Amino acid sequence: KQEVTQIPAALSVPEGENLVLNCSFTDSAIYNLQWFRQDPGKGLTSLLLIQSSQREQTSGRLNASLDKSSGRSTLYIAASQPGDSATYLCAVESNYQLIWGAGTKLIIKP
Amino acid sequence: DGGITQSPKYLFRKEGQNVTLSCEQNLNHDAMYWYRQDPGQGLRLIYYSQIVNDFQKGDIAEGYSVSREKKESFPLTVTSAQKNPTAFYLCASSTRTGANTGELFFGEGSRLTVL
Repeated sequence: KQEVTQIPAALSVPEGENLVLNCSFTDSAIYNLQWFRQDPGKGLTSLLLIQSSQREQTSGRLNASLDKSSGRSTLYIAASQPGDSATYLCAVESNYQLIWGAGTKLIIKP
Repeated sequence: DGGITQSPKYLFRKEGQNVTLSCEQNLNHDAMYWYRQDPGQGLRLIYYSQIVNDFQKGDIAEGYSVSREKKESFPLTVTSAQKNPTAFYLCASSTRTGANTGELFFGEGSRLTVL
């Protein structure tokens, strides 16, 4: 059974730092992996989608990598800004199901 | 602008009452989904629909019902049989291809509180 874990549950860093968020999964047979952002009391916004055949995807200051063999994806945020403060969730599509992590709450301190 | 509209944003319900959450999309997506979000947990799938007049139970369908009479609309009814309905409910649609979900697009959510 696929399980998705995001550690840490919360992270606080000073503005301007580069940072990495982690997403681990137990079964390497995945179709794709998606990263989302959620602001408090709001819906989710899709950030990046990585197909199983890809190693990484980039959008602006965001870069997501995928290593199926180690069961890990990372979301790299460059030059963090207070506006990046949000909860970041990853979801793995596996066996026609979408399995969600519980998210990492990121706080960027001005 | 294309997107997903959920209403109401906040809803209060007395025990024993049924309530219906609205979800409308103009993205021309065939697939639509309802998720429940509780603090500290990943999203859990309630129901999904791949096409009009068809829907399937997700992981936590008990106490919920849906309909899909139009492509644009996928309302969720939280019935009195749902034992712990207080939660944040999220509607989504996707660029589904075959059996795979594809990229998901979400509404702004509806927060239901049982008094």
